[in-house]
Amino acid sequence: DTEVTQTPKHLVMGMTNKKSLKCEQHMGHRAMYWYKQKAKKPPELMFVYSYEKLSINESVPSRFSPECPNSSLLNLHLHALQPEDSALYLCASSLITGAEQYFGPGTRLTVT
Amino acid sequence: AQKVTQAQTEISVVEKEDVTLDCVYETRDTTYYLFWYKQPPSGELVFLIRRNSFDEQNEISGRYSWNFQKSTSSFNFTITASQVVDSAVYFCALSELMNSGGYQKVTFGTGTKLQVIP
Repeated sequence: DTEVTQTPKHLVMGMTNKKSLKCEQHMGHRAMYWYKQKAKKPPELMFVYSYEKLSINESVPSRFSPECPNSSLLNLHLHALQPEDSALYLCASSLITGAEQYFGPGTRLTVT
Repeated sequence: AQKVTQAQTEISVVEKEDVTLDCVYETRDTTYYLFWYKQPPSGELVFLIRRNSFDEQNEISGRYSWNFQKSTSSFNFTITASQVVDSAVYFCALSELMNSGGYQKVTFGTGTKLQVIP
């Protein structure tokens, strides 16, 4: 099973809302990632978790808050987002950091 | 700092033609991994291949082949007899050792959009 699942697939939220994105994998991978992707751009790394500990935070604004409750789950909590945060948010996992990553289908987020 | 350059922004080919996607990378390390990913219009990135910096053997998988040349810092991807289903954005990526204990960061190129015309 090489599947990474993400929910929801689409999300529309206002600038004052609080929402969460969820990601799950059951491949026994110990590294999990959040990426942000704007149209016609490559994925932009946001956070890396390794063995459930945050190992990389790419200077992401605090309105994005990651959480790794266990080795299979990764959440991204959203609060007070801006319209420029509208993008495709991709979750990925890999056996260890730096190895090939398996991506979920993404959550398309629109901030109004 | 590591860098991946995909100079071809968009390529259009007619079905059954061969096409090569170029990737040039920069790194100061001797130990690194290179990757290719495919992103079809549906949006999900699909892993295609990983190559270790110590392994310069070319690889073939069906209609796909990869040419890794350390001397020119290139990792090119060729699709033989292209099909409409190959239409996608293809990303080359590099992961580099940042600290002891493992590779930490992957840098993606800007991607090449391939359109295969029937």
